[in-house]
Amino acid sequence: QKEVEQDPGPLSVPEGAIVSLNCTYSNSAFQYFMWYRQYSRKGPELLMYTYSSGNKEDGRFTAQVDKSSKYISLFIRDSQPSDSATYLCAFGGDAGGTSYGKLTFGQGTILTVHP
Amino acid sequence: DVKVTQSSRYLVKRTGEKVFLECVQDMDHENMFWYRQDPGLGLRLIYFSYDVKMKEKGDIPEGYSVSREKKERFSLILESASTNQTSMYLCASSLDLEQYFGPGTRLTVT
Repeated sequence: QKEVEQDPGPLSVPEGAIVSLNCTYSNSAFQYFMWYRQYSRKGPELLMYTYSSGNKEDGRFTAQVDKSSKYISLFIRDSQPSDSATYLCAFGGDAGGTSYGKLTFGQGTILTVHP
Repeated sequence: DVKVTQSSRYLVKRTGEKVFLECVQDMDHENMFWYRQDPGLGLRLIYFSYDVKMKEKGDIPEGYSVSREKKERFSLILESASTNQTSMYLCASSLDLEQYFGPGTRLTVT
């Protein structure tokens, strides 16, 4: 079983739609949950970061974590063409020791929002 | 703003050549990372470093080595390039958990 599973898509939605991106994980040591966004021909950039179960909102974006089910989601409301990118989930372990700072990434979901 | 730069955006090399990919960060970050990114496989960690002259293997280190002689610079070396090393190579640096990425080097080995 892979440590992280993410549906690679591609996902194509009309402008204004609600987008749901999901990842499952198997490693119980993961304590930090992130979403990165990667535009074409660029490196990934951190979009959202949380370390607890529940929801975290930032504008049109909501990150949801369910530690009991080992499942995280990113919701995008009122999606825009500028949201077209690859979205990667990422997981970090406990602070301290050599695992600190090292992230495990999902495969990435390619999202296209068309006008 | 954190800046991570990579020496080349595109590189074409022949099988068997020794290849150097350079990465420089300007934020005095302790941690630096090399990944390769392939369709359907996502980002896979090749090597990382927590300090000057220190290196640790990631998930796919075979066929690669690294060098970190100065804090700001982390080099990835392909000792003898092979066609299965054709990929996008991404460098990142971090102080804690947030990693800052360079723009990537698209390497083609023919």
